[in-house]
Amino acid sequence: DGGITQSPKYLFRKEGQNVTLSCEQNLNHDAMYWYRQDPGQGLRLIYYSQIVNDFQKGDIAEGYSVSREKKESFPLTVTSAQKNPTAFYLCATSSVPSNYGYTFGSGTRLTVV
Amino acid sequence: GQQVMQIPQYQHVQEGEDFTTYCNSSTTLSNIQWYKQRPGGHPVFLIQLVKSGEVKKQKRLTFQFGEAKKNSSLHITATQTTDVGTYFCAGTTDSWGKLQFGAGTQVVVTP
Repeated sequence: DGGITQSPKYLFRKEGQNVTLSCEQNLNHDAMYWYRQDPGQGLRLIYYSQIVNDFQKGDIAEGYSVSREKKESFPLTVTSAQKNPTAFYLCATSSVPSNYGYTFGSGTRLTVV
Repeated sequence: GQQVMQIPQYQHVQEGEDFTTYCNSSTTLSNIQWYKQRPGGHPVFLIQLVKSGEVKKQKRLTFQFGEAKKNSSLHITATQTTDVGTYFCAGTTDSWGKLQFGAGTQVVVTP
């Protein structure tokens, strides 16, 4: 089946630790995105990538880092510099242009204790 | 920068009633897309509107793109409990289609 795999579904980390969220796709989409969702705040763009080895900051990139070494993969690292990392993280992909919409993964719920 | 606003933020609907959610952009959009996110789920693409004044229907859902391509609406007729969720609009001005999402309208349906 074609789709997006985000792992893990739930993640617990201690404050001050870096953590990496996985996003893998087999849709052959060029563009990939990371969003953060907090209650009542909709979707906020963290980073996005149109092609391999290139990515751009979104609206809330501080405290996060990404890489795009392969077309299929776009991992997100939540660093200790992110002040409030507890949130629901969504990975999405699209063709370029995104005429057929974004396809979202099922998300990773990160809780920092 | 481009901003997409959605109203209302929250909508409580009696089953069988109609309701409308609205989306407004500060800039002219190339196209607008609508997504639905069920509670505990992830957003799912519903539709894209491209042309000025365009109207599209999906069963009980009617989507409209304004003449100036700066606003859009989603109208649901005879709401059912399966319509529960958050509806997002998302617009783009980029040539390659990077979306700016609205904050969403959370819909609660009571039987």
